[in-house]
Amino acid sequence: DVKVTQSSRYLVKRTGEKVFLECVQDMDHENMFWYRQDPGLGLRLIYFSYDVKMKEKGDIPEGYSVSREKKERFSLILESASTNQTSMYLCASSLLYRVGETQYFGPGTRLLVL
Amino acid sequence: EDQVTQSPEALRLQEGESSSLNCSYTVSGLRGLFWYRQDPGKGPEFLFTLYSAGEEKEKERLKATLTKKESFLHITAPKPEDSATYLCAVQPSGNTPLVFGKGTRLSVIA
Repeated sequence: DVKVTQSSRYLVKRTGEKVFLECVQDMDHENMFWYRQDPGLGLRLIYFSYDVKMKEKGDIPEGYSVSREKKERFSLILESASTNQTSMYLCASSLLYRVGETQYFGPGTRLLVL
Repeated sequence: EDQVTQSPEALRLQEGESSSLNCSYTVSGLRGLFWYRQDPGKGPEFLFTLYSAGEEKEKERLKATLTKKESFLHITAPKPEDSATYLCAVQPSGNTPLVFGKGTRLSVIA
């Protein structure tokens, strides 16, 4: 079974703090993704990576950066957290960067920025 | 622009009352359509992938079908444990990420 884990289930941070969200997958997947999910807006893609040290912007990259130093680990960084970044953050991975590849999701991190 | 629309937004069923959820899409060449289930506060759980019109897949009380413009998730004799949000996503042609719909929130009442 594919397993995608996220470093925290719940996180509370203050405005202006630097926040790291980590995601690890154990299935040797090539691709990894970061989404945020908000009521009424659905899932929105922030960044994705199809190889180590590679990254691509998604639909809403502003205010975020990512790091992929190892194949199994993909980090999302909020350089200076703001209240509008309060959200559910979901990491996903898929085997190959090829059409029709199923994405598998982690359990999510609910971030509250005060 | 690639788009996925799910309907209804919310659906309330009595236990045993069969129904269908709809996912309509406009994409530049469909390469795959995915259904996920999401429980409150958790990540989406993969259910099905459909690749071509006419394809069907089943799992317990769920059956997914695909046409050239839409997919249906049929729920037969649902139980309260089927209550969840069901998400549909499509992968357009080329190496592009999935496009997700906003989901249908299903409640099954005993």
